[in-house]
Amino acid sequence: QKEVEQNSGPLSVPEGAIASLNCTYSDRVSQSFFWYRQYSGKSPELIMSIYSNGDKEDGRFTAQLNKASQYVSLLIRDSQPSDSATYLCAVKEGTGFQKLVFGTGTRLLVSP
Amino acid sequence: DADVTQTPRNRITKTGKRIMLECSQTKGHDRMYWYRQDPGLGLRLIYYSFDVKDINKGEISDGYSVSRQAQAKFSLSLESAIPNQTALYFCATSDDRDWAFFGQGTRLTVV
Repeated sequence: QKEVEQNSGPLSVPEGAIASLNCTYSDRVSQSFFWYRQYSGKSPELIMSIYSNGDKEDGRFTAQLNKASQYVSLLIRDSQPSDSATYLCAVKEGTGFQKLVFGTGTRLLVSP
Repeated sequence: DADVTQTPRNRITKTGKRIMLECSQTKGHDRMYWYRQDPGLGLRLIYYSFDVKDINKGEISDGYSVSRQAQAKFSLSLESAIPNQTALYFCATSDDRDWAFFGQGTRLTVV
């Protein structure tokens, strides 16, 4: 079982809609979770981090975490064509010295 | 200047050649990582280092080696490159509280 799982997509939404991206992870002791956006051929850039159960909002982005279900999601409201990219879920795994493990990413396409 | 700098940005090399990819950072982070990215496979961890005396294998370390020359420098070597090592390689840094910052990437092609 892969440690961090995401649907590869593509997820297609019309401009102005809400895009919902999901991620599950296997390490029950994980405490830190991140969403990165990656445009084709570019390096990943952090858009959200979340550490506690519940929702965390930042502008049009909302990260949701449910540690009991080992589930983290990213909602993008009022989606724009410029949001079209691959979204990577990342989890800091282990105890003590933690390493960062990524999912395979979900490709999002926002159509005008 | 970028916080995490990778050199070279692009490289074409022949099968069997030794090649080194270099990474330097000005973030002051202790932790450094090397990932490779292939279409459909996401980012896979090759090696990671939590300080200059600590080197750990990731999920795909075979065929690779690393050297942590200083806190700010972490290099990745392919001792004898093979075509299936053609990929986009990323260096990243983090500390205990902070998330990972990525370099610009190195596109490596082995012919």
